[in-house]
Formats: sequence, structure tokens, C-alpha cells
Amino acid sequence: AQSVTQLDSQVPVFEEAPVELRCNYSSSVSVYLFWYVQYPNQGLQLLLKYLSGSTLVKSINGFEAEFNKSQTSFHLRKPSVHISDTAEYFCAVTPGYSSASKIIFGSGTRLSIRP
Amino acid sequence: ETGVTQTPRHLVMGMTNKKSLKCEQHLGHNAMYWYKQSAKKPLELMFVYSLEERVENNSVPSRFSPECPNSSHLFLHLHTLQPEDSALYLCASSQDLRLFFGQGTRLTVV
Repeated sequence: AQSVTQLDSQVPVFEEAPVELRCNYSSSVSVYLFWYVQYPNQGLQLLLKYLSGSTLVKSINGFEAEFNKSQTSFHLRKPSVHISDTAEYFCAVTPGYSSASKIIFGSGTRLSIRP
Repeated sequence: ETGVTQTPRHLVMGMTNKKSLKCEQHLGHNAMYWYKQSAKKPLELMFVYSLEERVENNSVPSRFSPECPNSSHLFLHLHTLQPEDSALYLCASSQDLRLFFGQGTRLTVV
């Protein structure tokens, strides 16, 4: 069975500072990895995903995540955050590509940006 | 707006009531999901439906009963719930492993 651990439940940072949100997973098989974001009063939406190929994946709003198989990690980073990045971020993993794939989520990390 | 609509948005029910949550998607996706979101806990996968199969989390109590009459609609039937079942229930559809979530139904069991 797969599981996802997000060690930090809350991460406060100052505006324009760098940030890293940590995600570790456990799985006995190859996995696909995702980060989802939930802005205040909105539903969850996909931020970025790793399926295959380059281990470094990027979003359109400046976030990036690197798949590290040896450390079973998929940490999310941004070199300079903005107030608009205030949200809850969820890491997710799925073992397979079938029409009914189980997609397992972590407990989320709440990112709060201070001006 | 993600194309996934959940109704109702809020629901308060007693422990002896029977109610149903509805989810609708017209994105042409081939799989639909129910998740439970509780404060400070991981999103809990409850059920997955696709054209070919249904997958369920074996830890979900039988007081939750899913129904998927077609590829566009998904229901979650609720009966004799407990206060600890109070949570945000999220529906999602997926295509190529990307999930599209609805806004959720905030359920309170009294």
C-alpha cells in the first residue's frame, strides 16, 4: 500500500522569501506524484505532476518539485513567494495507471505568507 | 469552476436520517471519486468508480453507500451516521490521472 507524509502542517514565510514544502512517500512499486493546491474558499486543483521523464517538474506560477527516488521524496519549492500563494498544499501519489487508480493524499501543509 | 458540481453544499443531518450527496460532471471523464476531508488529516479516499470497475477503501463503514448510475453522476448515500462522520466530502472526476474536484459538501451530523 502507498502512503504520503507531509511533515509540516503549517509553514509561515515572509513575502519574497524562498519556501520548501516537504513530501515523502512510501511504495513498493513505481509511482506517479502530484501536488494539489487549495486556495481559501476554493476546491483543490492540480499544481504539478510527475509521471515520467525529467525528475524536475514546474508549474506555471513558479513552483517546482523534484522527484527523488532514492529518498522517496517529492518536495515542492518556490524561490520567492507572493501573498497570492497563501493556500493549503497537498502531496499525492498513485501506483498505477488504470481507469480506477487509487490516488492517495497527504494531510496537507498550510502555507501562510507574511507581508 | 472545474466542471464538477456537488449538491448540496451544506447538509446538517441527525444520526437517524437518510440523505444522499450528489456529484455531476460533464467533462467526459472516465472515473469518479469520493474523498473525505477532515481537519488536520489526510484526504481519505472512500470510493473510486470507472467504466470497468469499482474500488473501495475497506475501512469505509457500510453506513456510506456509493452509487454510480452512469459516467456523469455519482451519489453517496448516507444512513445512521455518527458525529465523527462530520467532514467535507469531496467528489472528483479524472482523466489521465488528473483529478478535477468539486467544491464539496460540508456535512454536519448532530
